[in-house]
Amino acid sequence: DAGVIQSPRHEVTEMGQEVTLRCKPISGHDYLFWYRQTMMRGLELLIYFNNNVPIDDSGMPEDRFSAKMPNASFSTLKIQPSEPRDSAVYFCASSAEQGNGYTFGSGTRLTVV
Amino acid sequence: LAKTTQPISMDSYEGQEVNITCSHNNIATNDYITWYQQFPSQGPRFIIQGYKTKVTNEVASLFIPADRKSSTLSLPRVSLSDTAVYYCLVDSGGYQKVTFGIGTKLQVIP
Repeated sequence: DAGVIQSPRHEVTEMGQEVTLRCKPISGHDYLFWYRQTMMRGLELLIYFNNNVPIDDSGMPEDRFSAKMPNASFSTLKIQPSEPRDSAVYFCASSAEQGNGYTFGSGTRLTVV
Repeated sequence: LAKTTQPISMDSYEGQEVNITCSHNNIATNDYITWYQQFPSQGPRFIIQGYKTKVTNEVASLFIPADRKSSTLSLPRVSLSDTAVYYCLVDSGGYQKVTFGIGTKLQVIP
């Protein structure tokens, strides 16, 4: 298995632009998680899905952030419009079942200038 | 939701055993304790998970006392490649939010 695949690895965009981050979870994993990591706040959970359904999005910072999971093999995290304070590393993770370990992707380093 | 507390940083010399303790006073009956390791520019990687007493694998040992209000990750004979951030998580499964926090930054010194 190729693991959790995220794209792009790096994204540099200008303030106000729309940014879309992509994630392909491990096949057969029913849970998908989006995390954001910054020096100040560490690793924060933004939203998670179970069987493609969003379960908890209370970590999504504002309405500018949205996430979708149209099928079991693909999820997107969108920021529109982007702001410099959104600069961070965004990780996607998947799990076969909670309490059973999470497998993380390599992350997308987002820089908003 | 059980909150965890762990030291922000630790230093250790190569070849020594390192013990990182995590406090989780409000751990629930169904909660498991899981530790992750994160290297720079990578996502966290699962190390070990336990419920009570002691768990050992090829990478580390996890000690959990009877009251389960804390746990200790033990890394035997660390090397420079063990320099990383280590996260302690408490996860009961189901529809629970799992937070990683800041973790413990372990620096292994030659």
